Parts: sequence; structure tokens; C-alpha cells
Amino acid sequence: GAGVSQSPSNKVTEKGKDVELRCDPISGHTALYWYRQSLGQGLEFLIYFQGNSAPDKSGLPSDRFSAERTGGSVSTLTIQRTQQEDSAVYLCASSLAQGIDETQYFGPGTRLLVL
Amino acid sequence: GQQVMQIPQYQHVQEGEDFTTYCNSSTTLSNIQWYKQRPGGHPVFLIQLVKSGEVKKQKRLTFQFGEAKKNSSLHITATQTTDVGTYFCAGFDYKLSFGAGTTVTVRA
Repeated sequence: GAGVSQSPSNKVTEKGKDVELRCDPISGHTALYWYRQSLGQGLEFLIYFQGNSAPDKSGLPSDRFSAERTGGSVSTLTIQRTQQEDSAVYLCASSLAQGIDETQYFGPGTRLLVL
Repeated sequence: GQQVMQIPQYQHVQEGEDFTTYCNSSTTLSNIQWYKQRPGGHPVFLIQLVKSGEVKKQKRLTFQFGEAKKNSSLHITATQTTDVGTYFCAGFDYKLSFGAGTTVTVRA
């Protein structure tokens, strides 16, 4: 079946603008995760959803970042008033459930460049 | 809170040589997973270890989970250019936490 998809694949925006990133998880996966990966760096956890609720928002860098998930499926990550330090690859992953056997399947990412 | 650390951060290997990358957790883990990210790609699941002292092999890759379930290692034998990429470990305690990764480059 289809894997995790993300859109857009690339986004260039001007400092101060808002951006919205989309993630379509694998069908039937109840858990969804957002990560940020700066150039040459590891994975920075942002937020995860179990169904439509977000039990762990601890990784969101500031109040400019927000995320929602509707219908237990698609999720959007919104960054308001973007800053140059927001430039990174934003990765989404989904897993069948949140728990001990939560193999995560990653999407291709959205490469965000803030000018 | 839970922290997962990987060493080394970078590993430059001569083709044909062996190397090992290590993963250490500040807490006891329920399981540990390994992922590989090719340059320009996204992380892809490789394997999961659950039992204390567990050893699993995938061709030239050997994964080990420590007896105390707080550390793990990935050993690659006879390194090939296809092994290039970043290898992440991810430890599950109450949630999955990723290490910073070991980025492997290979010189022919």
C-alpha cells in the first residue's frame, strides 16, 4: 500500500510569512509524529498524535508552531511568522499504534527554506 | 527525561573494513530500533531488538542489545559504498527517542 506522503516536497518562503505543511499517514495508522531535521543533524522531535489528540507537544520550539490532526488521518504543521532558523526538513512518520512496538514509517519530508 | 546518545557522530571507513557504532540510553529501554537514512532520503526502519542480550543479523550488519537494556551496537563488516548514510538508534521507554545518529562515509 501507499506509504506516508508529505506536501509540499519543497517550500521557499519569506521571513515573517506563515507556512502549512501536510502529512498523510499510512491508512490505519493511529499514531503520527512530526520531526525536524536541520542540515546534517539528527531528528528533533516536535509533536505526536494518538488519534486526533496530541499527548506530547513538548518538542514544539515556540508558540509559532502548532499542529492539528483531523479524522485520525491527515495532519498539518503550521509555522507562523517564519524565521530563518526554521529552515530545515520537516519529517512526518506514522505507526500502527503508539506503544512498545511502534515501528515508525517516515515520509519523504518537506524541505523548508526561509529567506 | 530519557536521553539516547550515539557515538561516534561521524565514521569515515575504508571500503572493506569493519566498524561499530554505539547507542546508549540514560534509562532502561523496553526495546531499541535502528533506522538508516541515505543521503537526501528519509529514515527507514532496519530492525527492532526487544530481549536483553539479543543479537540479530542482517547480512553484514549485526545488531546487539545490551544485557541491561540500556545500550545497543551496530557492527558492519566488510563495509561497502552502499552502507553510506546516517544510522539512527531509537530507544523506547515511555516513548520512542532518537539518537543524533552516526553518519558513515566510505572511501573506496
